[in-house]
Amino acid sequence: QVQLVQSGAEVKKPGASVKVSCKVSGYTLPELSMHWVRQAPGKGLEWMGGFDPENGETIYTQKFQGRVTMTDDTSTDTAYMELSSLRSEDTAVYYCATSPKFMVRGELATGFDNWGQGTLVTVSS
Amino acid sequence: DIQLTQSPSFLSASVGGRVTITCRASQGINTYLAWYQQKPGKAPKLLIYAASSLQTGVPSRFSGSGSGTEFTLTISGLQPEDFATYYCQQLSGVFLTFGGGTKVDIK
Repeated sequence: QVQLVQSGAEVKKPGASVKVSCKVSGYTLPELSMHWVRQAPGKGLEWMGGFDPENGETIYTQKFQGRVTMTDDTSTDTAYMELSSLRSEDTAVYYCATSPKFMVRGELATGFDNWGQGTLVTVSS
Repeated sequence: DIQLTQSPSFLSASVGGRVTITCRASQGINTYLAWYQQKPGKAPKLLIYAASSLQTGVPSRFSGSGSGTEFTLTISGLQPEDFATYYCQQLSGVFLTFGGGTKVDIK
């Protein structure tokens, strides 16, 4: 069973960067496709990006292009999401979520069957 | 990008009742759709994938159907623990978008 444990809440000033971690246990990172989803207060879920095994690369939504970087440390099975140039609208809970590596989209897709507990990032001056 | 429109955005229902939520895609996505349940302060939970396949451990009162551009999530015999917000997600395009959500409240 996959378990995802995220780093703790963060408070940042506008213009700063934040780096959220997601520690995987039960499986190894190379066996999974890692994704990041955020949820602003009182709002819906927003997929930010994740690993696309069909392309063999990490895909970011256009909204976050140039501001977000998602990386993996396979030596510790920990994934990271760094968001830069923070603004107040980035205040949200950030979740990591996984699917089995080759079951991300298309006929084999099984959805995000494991989620971290969420990390609240507050951007305030 | 593929857009998903859920309706209604809010509904009230009674315990024991039946609820149907619709998710429409801006283009055909075959059956590449998942449904999630989210309770306040908690991470989403996967209910259904491939439009109609029940995730392990999810009660059989949840069911999904549809293909192409129109999909439904049905909850038959609502239980108190089912009052939550539900989201659809398309798993077809490179960008894995979510619908706007449907909040199911107690009547």
